[in-house]
Amino acid sequence: EPEVTQTPSHQVTQMGQEVILRCVPISNHLYFYWYRQILGQKVEFLVSFYNNEISEKSEIFDDQFSVERPDGSNFTLKIRSTKLEDSAMYFCASSNTEAFFGQGTRLTVV
Amino acid sequence: AQTVTQSQPEMSVQEAETVTLSCTYDTSESDYYLFWYKQPPSRQMILVIRQEAYKQQNATENRFSVNFQKAAKSFSLKISDSQLGDAAMYFCAYRSAAPLTRQLTFGSGTQLTVLP
Repeated sequence: EPEVTQTPSHQVTQMGQEVILRCVPISNHLYFYWYRQILGQKVEFLVSFYNNEISEKSEIFDDQFSVERPDGSNFTLKIRSTKLEDSAMYFCASSNTEAFFGQGTRLTVV
Repeated sequence: AQTVTQSQPEMSVQEAETVTLSCTYDTSESDYYLFWYKQPPSRQMILVIRQEAYKQQNATENRFSVNFQKAAKSFSLKISDSQLGDAAMYFCAYRSAAPLTRQLTFGSGTQLTVLP
């Protein structure tokens, strides 16, 4: 069964550093997303990507964040100058109709 | 903006029994989708069931079924013959049917415990 794959599963970074979270969406899906879940809280939408551009973004997705689809398979989330409050689980998802999620990347900013 | 409310932070059920998780939502749209996702301790988000708002028939997926009440904006999940592996956090989610508006709005979740 096709699945969304995320790497790494866990990333520890120092405050102020840049991180890149990577995702390989399901190959025939057209829509890609990033969500985050701060520990103990609900899952929050960050950004969606369609036809090689951002189609929607939330107020959380400010200039600190960017997304890219550098080739035909990968979809990345870059977080510049990480802050302690960026510590969360980051989920990539892809869809045509219903969204399928990756297993998540746990980001810890120290 | 749409909102999704899950009023039961925690629920428990005896193994083999039936449990119903509640979800209400608020929207001004007439066409949309509703979902239940399961998040086990591994924290992966797993799609359990989906309902299209234009369909009157309630969705069913094996032991999982929904009670969709469009006028009341209610979307509850029933788990029959509960199994230990059903223990997880369950999230209700809403998605507009509008073109290019595909983000999911999640509720705050219900933690389900299955008692042996």
